[in-house]
Formats: sequence, C-alpha cells, structure tokens
Amino acid sequence: SQQGEEDPQALSIQEGENATMNCSYKTSINNLQWYRQNSGRGLVHLILIRSNEREKHSGRLRVTLDTSKKSSSLLITASRAADTASYFCASFQGAQKLVFGQGTRLTINP
Amino acid sequence: GAGVSQSPSNKVTEKGKDVELRCDPISGHTALYWYRQSLGQGLEFLIYFQGNSAPDKSGLPSDRFSAERTGGSVSTLTIQRTQQEDSAVYLCASSPGTRYNEQFFGPGTRLTVL
Repeated sequence: SQQGEEDPQALSIQEGENATMNCSYKTSINNLQWYRQNSGRGLVHLILIRSNEREKHSGRLRVTLDTSKKSSSLLITASRAADTASYFCASFQGAQKLVFGQGTRLTINP
Repeated sequence: GAGVSQSPSNKVTEKGKDVELRCDPISGHTALYWYRQSLGQGLEFLIYFQGNSAPDKSGLPSDRFSAERTGGSVSTLTIQRTQQEDSAVYLCASSPGTRYNEQFFGPGTRLTVL
C-alpha cells in the first residue's frame, strides 16, 4: 500500500526556476525522507525531516512538514539541468519498513 | 568507503528459468532491504533483513521469490520459474540498523524476462 503520494506526477520547468513537489501520507510518522533517482536506477537520499520539525534546509533544498495535514513539500531553488530526475518521498510503516510514493518526474529545460 | 553494490547490473533470462540477484551492503550495516521497481512506478518493498534474519518478508509477491543473507553481509534474492511480470529493476539498500534510519541504495539489477 502507498504511504506517500507525490504531486504532481510530472513537472517541467525552465532552468533557474524553482521546483516544488508535494507529498501526502496516511499514517503518523517518525520522520519523512526525500530521495532522488536518476535514470531509473539507484536512489540517493536527499534529506530527512523529523515529525517534530516543520522546516529543514540543505543547500538548494527546502523541505517542509505539516503533520496536521499529513503533507510535506520539497522545494528546489534555482534549478539546474542536473536536477532532472525522479523525486520520491518515503515514510516508515513500523520502524524499518520504508514505504515510497510513486514519485514526481522533474525535467529542467535549458 | 564503498557503497552498496549489486550484481549483475543487467540480467536477461527466459521465462521459466531461475535467477539469483546479489547485494553487497555497506560494511557494518546490519539492516538490508530489497525493493522492486516496475517501469515508471514507485518502489515496492519486498523483504528486509536484520542481521541474517528476515523479520518482514511480507512484500514477497509469491512463493517463487526467496531471499537469504549470510554472515550478516551479502544477500541473495532468488526468483524461481521466472515470469514476464517479474521484469523490473530490483534495488537493494542497507542502513546502520537503528530504527528510522535513512537507507543507502545500490544501483539496482535490471531483470528482463523474455
């Protein structure tokens, strides 16, 4: 079953613009994580936000978490061509089982 | 140190044959996970190991799928009598084993069943 659902499914923007992706989840969480996947292969962990945090930054990434709405957003500022990838949110069912959403396919146009 | 490695990177097999996929986790990581990703889809959890035992194998889609882990390190995912619907990318991840950790992924094995 899907714990996280990303929105939009696909996003295409111009280089230099900001990209915002949203994630909704169903059950209470300990933390929520965002991953990036290039070319359909291995995922790279981007950022983890704990349930008692509301916002977190890492370089050009900003993640927010609203536990009352069971939603999170990932903002990528000043996008670059290299940011083209699929982005997934993930949260835990239990302590070890990480459940992923379907992902947002982000395309940065030069 | 080295990341998670998987082999082979690509595997093409005929329907009905058995395949074995291998995962080498990051040294010292006690937790190991297998996922499956069909074309254009999200990740589907298959099984996870803590040490050599598998507390959660709820995601294995059928009894044709099995996995083992030995020495608290290398893991093998075996698919018997492969079917065309088994075609997917199989991803392995490891984590230090403490609860609610981030996971470190390997590059995956792309399995194609003809």
